[in-house]
Amino acid sequence: QVQLQQWGAGLLKPSETLSLTCAVYGGSFSGYYWSWIRQPPGKGLEWIGEINDSGSTNYNPSLKSRIIISVDTSKNQFSLKLSSVTAADTAVYYCARRGKTLYWGHGTLVTVSS
Amino acid sequence: DIQMTQSPSSLSASVGDRVTITCRASQGISNYLAWFQQKPGKAPESLIYATSSLQSGVPSKFSGSGSGTDFTLTISSLQPEDFATYYCQQYNSYPLTFGGGTKVEIK
Repeated sequence: QVQLQQWGAGLLKPSETLSLTCAVYGGSFSGYYWSWIRQPPGKGLEWIGEINDSGSTNYNPSLKSRIIISVDTSKNQFSLKLSSVTAADTAVYYCARRGKTLYWGHGTLVTVSS
Repeated sequence: DIQMTQSPSSLSASVGDRVTITCRASQGISNYLAWFQQKPGKAPESLIYATSSLQSGVPSKFSGSGSGTDFTLTISSLQPEDFATYYCQQYNSYPLTFGGGTKVEIK
C-alpha cells in the first residue's frame, strides 16, 4: 500500500521560502500526478499544483508566480517551494497522489510569523 | 476557475438519518467530481470519484450521483463515525477546485 511521508520547516518568517518534500513508498511513482494542496486553519482546501514523473507541471494561477514543484524520480520524491511567504500562507500543506482520485499524505503545518 | 458551491455548509443530524449534501459547479464538469471526508486533525480521505464510483474500502452507505453541474453525496444511514466535514472537488479542468465543505454534526 502506498505511503506518502512529507517533511519540511514548520515555522517561517515573512518573505522566506517554504520548502516541503514528499516521499512515496510502496507504490508506483509513474502514471500519476503528484499534488500539493493546502488548508488554512479552520478553512477549506486549496489546490496548489502538481507534477508527474516526467516533470510536467500544472500550477494554480493564483500562486504560479511564487511556486516551483519539482520531482526526483531516483528517490521517488517530489517537492514544493513557495517563495515570499506571508501570514496568509499559514496552512496545513498536504502532498497527495492523483490517480482516479486523491490519496493524501498526513499534512505538515506551516506557520508564517515574524 | 470553476467555482464549486456546497450546500448546506453545515447540518445537524441523528444517528440513522439519511443525509444528502449537494455540490454545484459554476460550469459543466461532466462526471469529473470527487468527494472526500475529513475528520478533525486528519487528512481528507477519498470516498467517491467520477461522481458515483466508490473508493475501495468505503462502505456502500455512501453514494454519489449527478452530472454536468449538479451533484449529490448521500449517506444512507448516518453512523457516529460519519460525523465529519465533507468536500467535493472537480477535476475537469485546471485549476482543480474544491467546494467549501459541509460539516455534519450530531443533533
